[in-house]
Amino acid sequence: GAVVSQHPSWVICKSGTSVKIECRSLDFQATTMFWYRQFPKQSLMLMATSNEGSKATYEQGVEKDKFLINHASLTLSTLTVTSAHPEDSSFYICSAARRVGTDTQYFGPGTRLTVL
Amino acid sequence: QKEVEQDPGPLSVPEGAIVSLNCTYSNSAFQYFMWYRQYSRKGPELLMYTYSSGNKEDGRFTAQVDKSSKYISLFIRDSQPSDSATYLCAMSQAGNEKLTFGTGTRLTIIP
Repeated sequence: GAVVSQHPSWVICKSGTSVKIECRSLDFQATTMFWYRQFPKQSLMLMATSNEGSKATYEQGVEKDKFLINHASLTLSTLTVTSAHPEDSSFYICSAARRVGTDTQYFGPGTRLTVL
Repeated sequence: QKEVEQDPGPLSVPEGAIVSLNCTYSNSAFQYFMWYRQYSRKGPELLMYTYSSGNKEDGRFTAQVDKSSKYISLFIRDSQPSDSATYLCAMSQAGNEKLTFGTGTRLTIIP
């Protein structure tokens, strides 16, 4: 159990376009979902935390108008990178937890975004 | 100073050896400690989850937490080539879902 999927697994887009990444918990309901960004040979950096039905909480330095997060159901969260630029190229990973608060996070396989 | 320090490696050991991976941290409020394994271009996979100080064993993996020294370790016995991956430590505070990750140690097991 506790499988998290992401779609797409990789995407290439032109500068200035928007890209949507989906994160789904396949066999459990996720009260909380998290979005991370990972640059090559670096660790995961938390971008935002979202609870189902609530607005996402963004980490310091993450532009909420650029990285739009929607957590519309207990099994789906989406991250939209708006007006993407080459510096947004990265590996985006989501995770999901059953409960709010300290709980095991289960990670998706990641989405590699390349902005040309 | 980073909250969590982890030697990025790379670390190469022969098959069958015991591997020791470590992290140190500065925030004494951390109560939950995790080790994740991440294969190239994949998401992290939870290996071990421990609370407070002590040891936890699961098959070939043993996690140790020493809160007095702010030091955690992951030991891998009888290492296999399939263990080749990046190992990330992560930790969180009680009542706080936010995970703070180390930079990861890249491990290669040589057949």
